[in-house]
Amino acid sequence: DVKVTQSSRYLVKRTGEKVFLECVQDMDHENMFWYRQDPGLGLRLIYFSYDVKMKEKGDIPEGYSVSREKKERFSLILESASTNQTSMYLCASSYGDRSGGAQYFGPGTRLLVL
Amino acid sequence: AQSVTQLDSQVPVFEEAPVELRCNYSSSVSVYLFWYVQYPNQGLQLLLKYLSGSTLVKGINGFEAEFNKSQTSFHLRKPSVHISDTAEYFCAVSDRVTGGGNKLTFGTGTQLKVEL
Repeated sequence: DVKVTQSSRYLVKRTGEKVFLECVQDMDHENMFWYRQDPGLGLRLIYFSYDVKMKEKGDIPEGYSVSREKKERFSLILESASTNQTSMYLCASSYGDRSGGAQYFGPGTRLLVL
Repeated sequence: AQSVTQLDSQVPVFEEAPVELRCNYSSSVSVYLFWYVQYPNQGLQLLLKYLSGSTLVKGINGFEAEFNKSQTSFHLRKPSVHISDTAEYFCAVSDRVTGGGNKLTFGTGTQLKVEL
């Protein structure tokens, strides 16, 4: 079974702090994704990566950056956390051209910025 | 560009009754289609996927979905629901042209509430 893990289930940070969210997958997937999920807005793609050191902006990249130094690990960075970044953050991974792009999700990190 | 419409934001149903969650998509090219389920405070779990072949796809937990190309629909069904099926369900589409290995477009979700 595919396993995607996220470093924290719950996180509380203060405005202005630098925040790191870590995601690790164990299936040698080429693609990795970061989403945020908010009530009434569904899932919104922040960034994705289709290879090591490669990244592309999603629909809402402002205020975020990412890092992919190893194939299995994809980090989301909030350079200076703000209260409007309080949300549920979901990481996902997928094969490049197999399984039709089916994505496998981690359990999520619920971030509260005070 | 693709889009996914889940017509119902909430669907209440009694236990052991059948249920259908509706999904329509819009795309200028052929697509792959998916249904995911999300239980409270958890990530999304893949229920089933349509890649090619038979238009009736069976998934986990007794769910199935039917791909209808002429109506651009991919409705999810279960003949008899259980309390444990209470969750949010998301329909998603991936563009075949890009190899399907890239981005998914998600619907806004349907909250299924199963009542006794």
